[in-house]
Amino acid sequence: GNSVTQMEGPVTLSEEAFLTINCTYTATGYPSLFWYVQYPGEGLQLLLKATKADDKGSNKGFEATYRKETTSFHLEKGSVQVSDSAVYFCALISGGFKTIFGAGTRLFVKA
Amino acid sequence: GAVVSQHPSWVICKSGTSVKIECRSLDFQATTMFWYRQFPKQSLMLMATSNEGSKATYEQGVEKDKFLINHASLTLSTLTVTSAHPEDSSFYICSAPTGTSGHNEQFFGPGTRLTVL
Repeated sequence: GNSVTQMEGPVTLSEEAFLTINCTYTATGYPSLFWYVQYPGEGLQLLLKATKADDKGSNKGFEATYRKETTSFHLEKGSVQVSDSAVYFCALISGGFKTIFGAGTRLFVKA
Repeated sequence: GAVVSQHPSWVICKSGTSVKIECRSLDFQATTMFWYRQFPKQSLMLMATSNEGSKATYEQGVEKDKFLINHASLTLSTLTVTSAHPEDSSFYICSAPTGTSGHNEQFFGPGTRLTVL
């Protein structure tokens, strides 16, 4: 079945450090891939998405490239801020509307 | 962008009572909505798919008589936790896709924190 695996957290970085959160997936067909962010006590917000191979999603300085050959969708940001502290979820949709989520990676950014 | 609201944002109730949570799509119609449950520091667990005009589809292990879902209109789905117990305490989140493509992202409500005493 479809699944998403992302790196375990928590990830702790200093402000302005480079961020990578790894995400790999297993899916039949051609899934769409997403990164969602959840701030404390809130629901999920879409951060970025990519719908086909080699697409790059980007938003607020975050980027992720849909790599079909490695079935990956790693999240990157060149310089994190304290305000980026949150939980990040990698997710996919493969046919239908059901979203499959990874376990989530908690990010702490220290000033 | 599309907006999904939930009400209430938090609720505290006594054990044995029932609690209703509403999920509304504010600026679009949603024939399908999803209900998730999230435990502290864990991922979202899909509970059920709410279908307008028909019965909800429950995921394996979710008690349909415990978690009643009604998709009353194209903009409203409700989740009722019946005879709530402390183990039902959790963060409940709904979502709705826009459009008809199976690859559209979900728009999530802000969540409802349920505490059962």
